Amino acid sequence: GAGVSQSPSNKVTEKGKDVELRCDPISGHTALYWYRQRLGQGLEFLIYFQGNSAPDKSGLPSDRFSAERTGESVSTLTIQRTQQEDSAVYLCASSNLAGEPGVAYEQYFGPGTRLTVT
Amino acid sequence: GDSVTQMEGPVTLSEEAFLTINCTYTATGYPSLFWYVQYPGEGLQLLLKATKADDKGSNKGFEATYRKETTSFHLEKGSVQVSDSAVYFCALSELGTGGFKTIFGAGTRLFVKA
Repeated sequence: GAGVSQSPSNKVTEKGKDVELRCDPISGHTALYWYRQRLGQGLEFLIYFQGNSAPDKSGLPSDRFSAERTGESVSTLTIQRTQQEDSAVYLCASSNLAGEPGVAYEQYFGPGTRLTVT
Repeated sequence: GDSVTQMEGPVTLSEEAFLTINCTYTATGYPSLFWYVQYPGEGLQLLLKATKADDKGSNKGFEATYRKETTSFHLEKGSVQVSDSAVYFCALSELGTGGFKTIFGAGTRLFVKA
């Protein structure tokens, strides 16, 4: 298991339903990020987990969005009462922040979950 | 807050042309800077990075120099190939109260014609 994995790869849901997206980071990576990428657009930061620190939730677009992470392992992003504007690719990335102090390291991205809300 | 601005696309070039994709940033401290690339049908992957002023990142013939005085990190390649067609994202990562948070630019789509 070398890379970041996400499941499902595709999800079609009806408006108003809840969905749960899963991310398995690279083993040993302390940082985990969720992004949203709408069609033809850039990455929109959603939430960031770093070790045991409180997550940075500043990017979550509404209270319908929430995320959890179990220790330094799996994370789930939950969208409640989905709306059509939630349709996008949801990307997860992980990073190992060990090494030279004060220097950010690259993020490794998963393949994404394509969410379609009908 | 921190931000990244990159040139709008799409950029269309002929094979062997010179490429520049401009990227400027605003940050309160001393961020690390990155270029990520997303090839058609693939996930994002790191292209190159620089962690301090005047550092030059390079990979696959692409280069970018961390210019603190102009807050820029422009991506260049001397001779593009059709296989370079992709979306390129400039990003910065800076240490905040909760750790490193990364801000991405909007992306620049590059088309290279044979």
